[in-house]
Amino acid sequence: QSVLTQPPSASGTPGQRVTISCSGGSSDIGSHYVFWYQQLPGTAPRLLIYRSDQRPSGVPDRFSGSKSGTSASLAISGLRSEDEADYYCAAWDDSLGDVIFGGGTKLTVL
Amino acid sequence: EVQLLESGGGLVQPGGSLRLSCAASGSTFRTYAMTWVRQAPGKGLEWVSSISSSASTTYYPYSVKGRFSISRDNSKNTLFLQMNSLRAEDTAVYYCATAIYNSGWYPFDSWGQGTLVTVSS
Repeated sequence: QSVLTQPPSASGTPGQRVTISCSGGSSDIGSHYVFWYQQLPGTAPRLLIYRSDQRPSGVPDRFSGSKSGTSASLAISGLRSEDEADYYCAAWDDSLGDVIFGGGTKLTVL
Repeated sequence: EVQLLESGGGLVQPGGSLRLSCAASGSTFRTYAMTWVRQAPGKGLEWVSSISSSASTTYYPYSVKGRFSISRDNSKNTLFLQMNSLRAEDTAVYYCATAIYNSGWYPFDSWGQGTLVTVSS
């Protein structure tokens, strides 16, 4: 059972903007940065967002991250078919002393 | 960016041991902290272990502490994960990745393709 809660699924049509939420608590998201990862089918994960809202080089600016209180969000604008993937949030948890991941959200592009 | 390639996965009996390797390309490996992350079949990601660039500090979650040991050989551009007392719940694809520190060690911008470890009798 993940400490960070994500919706199991999300969907959108091409060109649409979708948002994926990640809910935590005061000991994790409330106190620390959030990271987001994308995992395309059959491949290794890839870093999308670090330090809550920073994009690594090579990640399109269609992807953006935000954090407020004990929740975080990943937004994808101009949705494309190649965005169909699993998305995971992660944050340090003071109580566990671990980096914890959300359960993942499967994004379907309709 | 560094290229990473894991090896050493396979089938092992409960209670057995396995050593994973992660070979890195380029001369910058020694400058990166590194981490192992795993993914059980059909499940999400789980942090397994991290090590500083100089190997002076290592980190483990409670789930593997005392059973797993991370190390590195910067002269050979290689990261290792020694796994002992393996359990069925350790069955997963194991990924190595560069790491960045923000209160904890997070996998960062270079990942290997993963190696499958299956613990079963």
